[in-house]
Amino acid sequence: QVELRESGPGLVKPSETLSLTCAVSGGSISHYYWSWIRQPPGKGLEWIGYIYYTGSTNYNPSLKSRVTISLDAPRHHFSLIVTSVTAADTAVYYCARVKEAYYDGVIGPEAADVWGKGITVTVSS
Amino acid sequence: EIVLTQSPGTLSLSPGERVTLSCRASQIVNTMYIAWYQHKPGQAPRLLIFGSSRRPTDIPDRFIGSGSGTDFTLTIDRLEPEDFALYYCQQYGSSPWTFGRGTKVEIK
Repeated sequence: QVELRESGPGLVKPSETLSLTCAVSGGSISHYYWSWIRQPPGKGLEWIGYIYYTGSTNYNPSLKSRVTISLDAPRHHFSLIVTSVTAADTAVYYCARVKEAYYDGVIGPEAADVWGKGITVTVSS
Repeated sequence: EIVLTQSPGTLSLSPGERVTLSCRASQIVNTMYIAWYQHKPGQAPRLLIFGSSRRPTDIPDRFIGSGSGTDFTLTIDRLEPEDFALYYCQQYGSSPWTFGRGTKVEIK
């Protein structure tokens, strides 16, 4: 059974860089997309972006200038970096596995079938 | 971006009842690209439905997804005690992927 576990600092200072890691256990990295989603307090879920196992990425345009998602397949983890954080980046951060599917013969992402339990990150001085 | 509006915000129901949750999109979404998730506090969200109506193999058949165009529905037939939770819809056909704000199903 595949499990995902987020790790990283719970507190980050404004203007600094947030760095989170998601450890993948019990399954393969290949043929999946690996995604980050967050939920600010009192707000809905916000998709941050994903990385395909081949290394291609797709980011939410609202965060694209500050976000990088990377994949370390041999070590079975993927990471999120958010630069120049503000209080608006305070949220519960989730990592998720996204299935690949064929759409008219073209591979694309499907729904997130496995999620981590989330990690709370607070941006405050 | 596509905005998903879920209604109602909260439903108060009893075990055994049938519940219908609504998710309306701000523009047409292909049925292949709608998912529903269940989320309980402190737990990982759980995928219930993908492709508007398809269930992962471990999801009970009391969870039924339907809809097309801009209107999608999740029906829970005969609520079980473990079904009281928050439910989100999501579209993954257009970037950025977006989620609804959720519907809370609580015990009456």
